[in-house]
Amino acid sequence: EPEVTQTPSHQVTQMGQEVILRCVPISNHLYFYWYRQILGQKVEFLVSFYNNEISEKSEIFDDQFSVERPDGSNFTLKIRSTKLEDSAMYFCASSKLGGDEQYFGPGTRLTVT
Amino acid sequence: RKEVEQDPGPFNVPEGATVAFNCTYSNSASQSFFWYRQDCRKEPKLLMSVYSSGNEDGRFTAQLNRASQYISLLIRDSKLSDSATYLCVVTYNNAGNMLTFGGGTRLMVKP
Repeated sequence: EPEVTQTPSHQVTQMGQEVILRCVPISNHLYFYWYRQILGQKVEFLVSFYNNEISEKSEIFDDQFSVERPDGSNFTLKIRSTKLEDSAMYFCASSKLGGDEQYFGPGTRLTVT
Repeated sequence: RKEVEQDPGPFNVPEGATVAFNCTYSNSASQSFFWYRQDCRKEPKLLMSVYSSGNEDGRFTAQLNRASQYISLLIRDSKLSDSATYLCVVTYNNAGNMLTFGGGTRLMVKP
């Protein structure tokens, strides 16, 4: 069964550093998403992406964040200058069509020290 | 404001029991409804979509009540492997495809 994959599984970085989190969505899916979950809190939407552009973003997704689909398979989330409060699990998800069920990757645990 | 509320639990039940969770959503401009399960420190996994007519998948039954703005999940004949956090998830009209998650209800099934 096709799955969303994410790398790395765990990333430790110092405050102020840039990080890039990588995702490979399910191959025939057209919509891609990033969510985050701070330990003990709800899963929160960050951004959705379709047809090579952002279709929706939340208040969390400020100028420090960006997304890119650099090739036909990868979907990345970049945080330019990490803050302590960016420490969280970051989940990538994809869906075949808008409004369809979304399937999540295993997540990247980001720890900012 | 778009909120999805759940009783955090935990619900402690013996194997074989039937357990039900409810979820309320605050915004009537809701579009789609889902139940996901999440194991500790893992990703949310889709359990089932929730349709207006209700739907059943094996031991799991989901119901939607639009008038009262709540969604329910019923688990029959609980198994140890059902122990997890169950997340109620809603999408809203004119909000793209973003999923809005509830805080989850924790279920612990004991032998």
